[in-house]
Amino acid sequence: QSALTQPPSASGSPGQSVTISCTGTSSDVGGYNYVSWYQQHPGKAPKLMIYDVTKRPSGVPDRFSASKSDNTASLTVSGLQAEDEADYYCSSYAGSNNVLFGGGTKLTVL
Amino acid sequence: QVQLQQWGAGLLRPSETLSLTCAVYGGSISDYYWSWIRQPPGKGLEWIGEINHRGNTNYNPSLKSRATTSLDTSKNQVSLKLSSVTAADTAVYYCARGGNWYLQLVAKFDPWGQGTLVTVSS
Repeated sequence: QSALTQPPSASGSPGQSVTISCTGTSSDVGGYNYVSWYQQHPGKAPKLMIYDVTKRPSGVPDRFSASKSDNTASLTVSGLQAEDEADYYCSSYAGSNNVLFGGGTKLTVL
Repeated sequence: QVQLQQWGAGLLRPSETLSLTCAVYGGSISDYYWSWIRQPPGKGLEWIGEINHRGNTNYNPSLKSRATTSLDTSKNQVSLKLSSVTAADTAVYYCARGGNWYLQLVAKFDPWGQGTLVTVSS
């Protein structure tokens, strides 16, 4: 099973919105509602931002939202702020008792 | 607020066994699944496996033959052993809380430990 596919990079100016995609197959992203997103700043542990496709843990700003269509999940960051600059990873249950991560997307706030 | 603190040997020789432990503070280890996830330097995340207090386990098929997770409810600790390591196992290893103990493989990891860099080198 291959890693989920994410664009290596994304960027936006402060205040703008940016969307990061996570493409899998019908055996993972498209087949289950167990998709999550993580934010990772350099040298830090990842932080859960979204789970169960669209749910936001308490404490995560509502500027972060997510959705899924067919085999592609998406994370949207609205009202970009400097502190949003980080690496973002998606994750999904992949069947066969396995969990996959995406390769990661480096978000740059211009 | 649940916090995870992990430790283990940071430098291994090829063929040795990696051993890491993660202590859970502020919550019962029996209530959730607990996962191990690794990240090679400069690369992405890879899920290794998970365990709950009943001893139910799931492993990444690519690591299943070498990975073993265990759980000590008396100490509120979870452990990982990875046998026959090679340079390809060099990574930062994280422990993380998963879903509720009756919900396996929900790909929800929160919170995470601080990470332990394990280097395999001869």
